[in-house]
Amino acid sequence: GAVVSQHPSWVICKSGTSVKIECRSLDFQATTMFWYRQFPKQSLMLMATSNEGSKATYEQGVEKDKFLINHASLTLSTLTVTSAHPEDSSFYICSARSNEQFFGPGTRLTVL
Amino acid sequence: GEDVEQSLFLSVREGDSSVINCTYTDSSSTYLYWYKQEPGAGLQLLTYIFSNMDMKQDQRLTVLLNKKDKHLSLRIADTQTGDSAIYFCAEKSNTGKLIFGQGTTLQVKP
Repeated sequence: GAVVSQHPSWVICKSGTSVKIECRSLDFQATTMFWYRQFPKQSLMLMATSNEGSKATYEQGVEKDKFLINHASLTLSTLTVTSAHPEDSSFYICSARSNEQFFGPGTRLTVL
Repeated sequence: GEDVEQSLFLSVREGDSSVINCTYTDSSSTYLYWYKQEPGAGLQLLTYIFSNMDMKQDQRLTVLLNKKDKHLSLRIADTQTGDSAIYFCAEKSNTGKLIFGQGTTLQVKP
């Protein structure tokens, strides 16, 4: 089946630093990747839709200058949380779409 | 607007059947999905149903869709302790985005 990986699986950083999360589709090409955020015991909230070779489309209320998304190839999208603050601590999940969406294992970000 | 609702918690005994319910509002949804999330992990696609179907069965899983009432259910037969997880219902909107419910925590007691 289709496999999506994320790296790192967890990260702890200091407030004010930037963190990059990678999302890779391992055995298929994905023209579209999605980034979600999940708070404890809550559902997934779509942050942005990333299309290869073009700018990401952000959902309402998501700051594009804070959450930088790059989709440089058909198998890789990155999310950079810039100048992270404690309120950015969350579980970030990416998904990649071929005919259906397949989800990565998630990245736990903790900002101290 | 698009909205998906689920009950938050279900507890069953091992060997019983589990039924997780979901309601949605977007009548133009083409596909409806069930995902499973284990602690600290991403989402695993369990099954999906096309909107013109009433039922889909896949081994221990049965999905029922009542399009008139916009109600979707997932039945897990012979529930095992390994089925303990959070189950998310999701609809694919006409923009192609997935809209998720809040998730139902299934607790399976031995």
